[in-house]
Amino acid sequence: NAGVTQTPKFQVLKTGQSMTLQCAQDMNHEYMSWYRQDPGMGLRLIHYSVGAGITDQGEVPNGYNVSRSTTEDFPLRLLSAAPSQTSVYFCASSYSYYTDTQYFGPGTRLTVL
Amino acid sequence: AQSVTQLGSHVSVSEGALVLLRCNYSSSVPPYLFWYVQYPNQGLQLLLKYTTGATLVKGINGFEAEFKKSETSFHLTKPSAHMSDAAEYFCAVSPLTMTNTGNQFYFGTGTSLTVIP
Repeated sequence: NAGVTQTPKFQVLKTGQSMTLQCAQDMNHEYMSWYRQDPGMGLRLIHYSVGAGITDQGEVPNGYNVSRSTTEDFPLRLLSAAPSQTSVYFCASSYSYYTDTQYFGPGTRLTVL
Repeated sequence: AQSVTQLGSHVSVSEGALVLLRCNYSSSVPPYLFWYVQYPNQGLQLLLKYTTGATLVKGINGFEAEFKKSETSFHLTKPSAHMSDAAEYFCAVSPLTMTNTGNQFYFGTGTSLTVIP
């Protein structure tokens, strides 16, 4: 199993540009989520999905969109990048949405100029 | 609402010394509790978790944590630090019941552990 994979590893954007962060898992997990990690703030939940076709907002959803057309993939879209979105982004998955252990991808380091 | 407090954003210990990383949670109902470790430039990986049953939980790499309901704590310990333990450690909680915001893991702000040779 590859586990949770994320692409790209690094990305630099200009303000106003859009892009999609890719996330895939091969463990047949129903629950997937996106976090951002900022210094001194831990991890904050952006969006999550409890299964294909079902998504919902987390703690900090503004400026981000998600969709879940398959069990395996959960892309995160930045609609119009802002410097405040400079962060490290982690995708995670778990067997069920209910208190289960989460498995994290290696992260995407995003810089918005 | 859940919250997690990790006392000490930076902890330094000598190699071979006791490691103690503190975590307190606020919840009217004891949640599920987790410790994750993040090595430089990597994602998080699970060290250990408490769900129900025995309050002393053993994890990987010699770490363990004890759930103390009366103190709302879940401190992480290791008897003897090794250089390879240098990393960022995150405490996290997850509610026992589904909330209207779904399954949210609430992470602490992290503690960076330095091991001095």
